Amino acid sequence: SYVLTQSPSVSVAPGQTAVITCGAHNIVGKSVHWHQQKPGQAPILVIYYNSDRPSGIPERFSGSNSGNTATLTISRVEAGDEADYYCQVWDSTSDHAVFGGGTKLTVL
Amino acid sequence: QVQLVESGGGAVQSGRSLRLSCETSGFRFASYGMYWVRQAPGKGLEWLAVIWDDGIDKYYADSVKGRFTISRDNSKNTLYLQMDGLGGEDTGVYYCARDFGQDTGIIDSWGQGALVAVSS
Repeated sequence: SYVLTQSPSVSVAPGQTAVITCGAHNIVGKSVHWHQQKPGQAPILVIYYNSDRPSGIPERFSGSNSGNTATLTISRVEAGDEADYYCQVWDSTSDHAVFGGGTKLTVL
Repeated sequence: QVQLVESGGGAVQSGRSLRLSCETSGFRFASYGMYWVRQAPGKGLEWLAVIWDDGIDKYYADSVKGRFTISRDNSKNTLYLQMDGLGGEDTGVYYCARDFGQDTGIIDSWGQGALVAVSS
């Protein structure tokens, strides 16, 4: 089965840039989507098709996908960005959706 | 405005069954694939099942295949998850979610979740 690997945690100071990665073999061949989950809340989609933003998501959120790593970048981090972030793909080989283990973003 | 509202969660004994429902509004339900995703306490998101818009194609995670059944009633704009043979590992919050479009594999909207607690 397809496995997505995320670092458990990332910490950044307010105003700095947070980089959250999602690794898998040849992930560039898949479309990667990112979900944000704040404590006690349901997830929301923040990036889809590697780099597109749903309406209402700030431009500070961006994504990329290359080689074996997809990346979610949050510029000018705010306290309100503190959350768990999950990458997600659709594995057409197995017809399964797959989530990464999640990365906890802490704003110092 | 897309709305997904889960119901049917609660406490259940190990080995018993439970059926979750997800009532939807704000979009043409029959045109979208739908998912169930769960989250064990303190853990990450786990995809469980998907049913595409045609209601025919359904796929399951290995952890629930043969025990859980996803279904939909397009006349009622409602998604279901029948859960049989429940065990402690099935405890968690169960989210109903919508596909971005025509079976894209993108989860773009989420419900607030229903808590299922399985006790021995």
